[in-house]
Amino acid sequence: AQTVTQSQPEMSVQEAETVTLSCTYDTSESDYYLFWYKQPPSRQMILVIRQEAYKQQNATENRFSVNFQKAAKSFSLKISDSQLGDAAMYFCAYRSAIGGTSYGKLTFGQGTILTVHP
Amino acid sequence: DGGITQSPKYLFRKEGQNVTLSCEQNLNHDAMYWYRQDPGQGLRLIYYSQIVNDFQKGDIAEGYSVSREKKESFPLTVTSAQKNPTAFYLCASSIPGQYNEQFFGPGTRLTVL
Repeated sequence: AQTVTQSQPEMSVQEAETVTLSCTYDTSESDYYLFWYKQPPSRQMILVIRQEAYKQQNATENRFSVNFQKAAKSFSLKISDSQLGDAAMYFCAYRSAIGGTSYGKLTFGQGTILTVHP
Repeated sequence: DGGITQSPKYLFRKEGQNVTLSCEQNLNHDAMYWYRQDPGQGLRLIYYSQIVNDFQKGDIAEGYSVSREKKESFPLTVTSAQKNPTAFYLCASSIPGQYNEQFFGPGTRLTVL
């Protein structure tokens, strides 16, 4: 079974600065998908960014980018020019690319609380 | 507007009672999911359904039941067999395609009195 680990329960950053959230995962599969979700105080889960394991290029969405290291099984999220609205719980998630009855199932990490200081 | 709705937002239950959480989507998604979120933990999968009239147990299905009679609806029943049901419950549905990414509803907070 796959596991996802976020080793930073809490992180903080000053507004306009850059912060990196860590995520590692364990899998024996070669093809899979990785996601970062944001959960603000409203508790609505919002997809931030996604990455396919077979794509070597790191995904980027505006101020959000990832550093995907497949061999190290690492998938960190970098937030540039941090804004007050980025304050939230961030979850890393894994999904297998293998079909079958478990297709689509997400495995989540424990989450990292990000605080943004003005 | 297309989206996922969950009701009620807050739900209180007495011990020994069954309670049903509603999840409806008008996104025309085939797959739907139920997750449980406890403080300090990530989301854990309870049940999921890839198509109408079919569903599978997730990692923590004991004490829960679901049905999928319509594509739009995936209600979750928390039974009296669930020993610690107080939690935040999230419903999701996913887009068919390469990433199969999941979109979430606003959640239901269940408290057992």
